[in-house]
Amino acid sequence: NAGVTQTPKFQVLKTGQSMTLQCAQDMNHNSMYWYRQDPGMGLRLIYYSASEGTTDKGEVPNGYNVSRLNKREFSLRLESAAPSQTSVYFCASSRQGADTQYFGPGTRLTVL
Amino acid sequence: EDQVTQSPEALRLQEGESSSLNCSYTVSGLRGLFWYRQDPGKGPEFLFTLYSAGEEKEKERLKATLTKKESFLHITAPKPEDSATYLCAVKLTGGGNKLTFGTGTQLKVEL
Repeated sequence: NAGVTQTPKFQVLKTGQSMTLQCAQDMNHNSMYWYRQDPGMGLRLIYYSASEGTTDKGEVPNGYNVSRLNKREFSLRLESAAPSQTSVYFCASSRQGADTQYFGPGTRLTVL
Repeated sequence: EDQVTQSPEALRLQEGESSSLNCSYTVSGLRGLFWYRQDPGKGPEFLFTLYSAGEEKEKERLKATLTKKESFLHITAPKPEDSATYLCAVKLTGGGNKLTFGTGTQLKVEL
């Protein structure tokens, strides 16, 4: 089992460019999440998907969109990147009805 | 406002020198408290979940405990490979799937 995988590992964008961060899990989990991690701040939830076909906003959703493509895959899109979106992005997943979330290795994004 | 505070921010120990990390929380209702370990450049790795005051969980040199206001991660006779950032997170009753994280304690264990 690979667990939760994320691509790319690193990305540099210019202000205004768009990109999609990909996440996939092979644990047959129903719920998936996107977080960002910034220095001096705890991980903050951007969006989550409780099950296939549903998505909900988290704490910091502005500037992002998500797509739950199927049970395995959950993508995060930045339509017009801003320097404030420079961060490390983590995807996580959990079983339905379970509290524990399992995290991917992260994508380090720099917006110039 | 729901808050999770971890202390100290950083901790340096000698190999074999036991210590504790603290996670204090001020929340409306606790459903569960989670401890994760994060190595540099990696994602958080799940360690423990605690649900009720008085509960304890152990794994190798780590033991997590929970009271009504805080949790401790006790590290007994640490080794250099225990060096990492330890994150605490809480899930609230009625909070859905959201985890609220603390900012972490960066632990370095030296020979």
